[in-house]
Amino acid sequence: EAGVAQSPRYKIIEKRQSVAFWCNPISGHATLYWYQQILGQGPKLLIQFQNNGVVDDSQLPKDRFSAERLKGVDSTLKIQPAKLEDSAVYLCASSSLVNEQYFGPGTRLTVT
Amino acid sequence: GENVEQHPSTLSVQEGDSAVIKCTYSDSASNYFPWYKQELGKRPQLIIDIRSNVGEKKDQRIAVTLNKTAKHFSLHITETQPEDSAVYFCAATYNNDMRFGAGTRLTVKP
Repeated sequence: EAGVAQSPRYKIIEKRQSVAFWCNPISGHATLYWYQQILGQGPKLLIQFQNNGVVDDSQLPKDRFSAERLKGVDSTLKIQPAKLEDSAVYLCASSSLVNEQYFGPGTRLTVT
Repeated sequence: GENVEQHPSTLSVQEGDSAVIKCTYSDSASNYFPWYKQELGKRPQLIIDIRSNVGEKKDQRIAVTLNKTAKHFSLHITETQPEDSAVYFCAATYNNDMRFGAGTRLTVKP
């Protein structure tokens, strides 16, 4: 079984620029999550999708972050414009069974 | 919302000793408690989990205990090995909403 795929693995941008991350979940997994992990901290949920619908986006900074999962499979997370404090690893996870989440390798974003 | 506290933040043990990491949670509705191991620069990997209808679960050298009344759960690693060195995260979940602790950096000295 292939794991969760993410790209790019690394991204360096200047503040106020835009960036997009892509995630392909494990085949058949209906639920997809985006987390932000700041160095030295645990992952923080940004948004959760069930198929192509948003279940929870209460912690997503909606003034600059957006995410979509139009066909209920792949998902993109966008930041526009980026701030220095957005430097983090962005993890995508997916699950089929209730609660068991599997993580992708993450995208390390550096904002300069 | 759910708040998960994890202790200690760092833990250093000698190879062969046991390691214990403790977490508390605030939402009594949480019913699923996974533990993840994250090595430097890698993704979190699920190593063991426990559901609220179970008090203890064991998988080889790793065990997890859950006290629902006190709202705390613990990870126990016995006979630690250098390859157990990593950051360990606990999490508490209700209805697929997973909240993580801040992590424990475990160092196993050979």
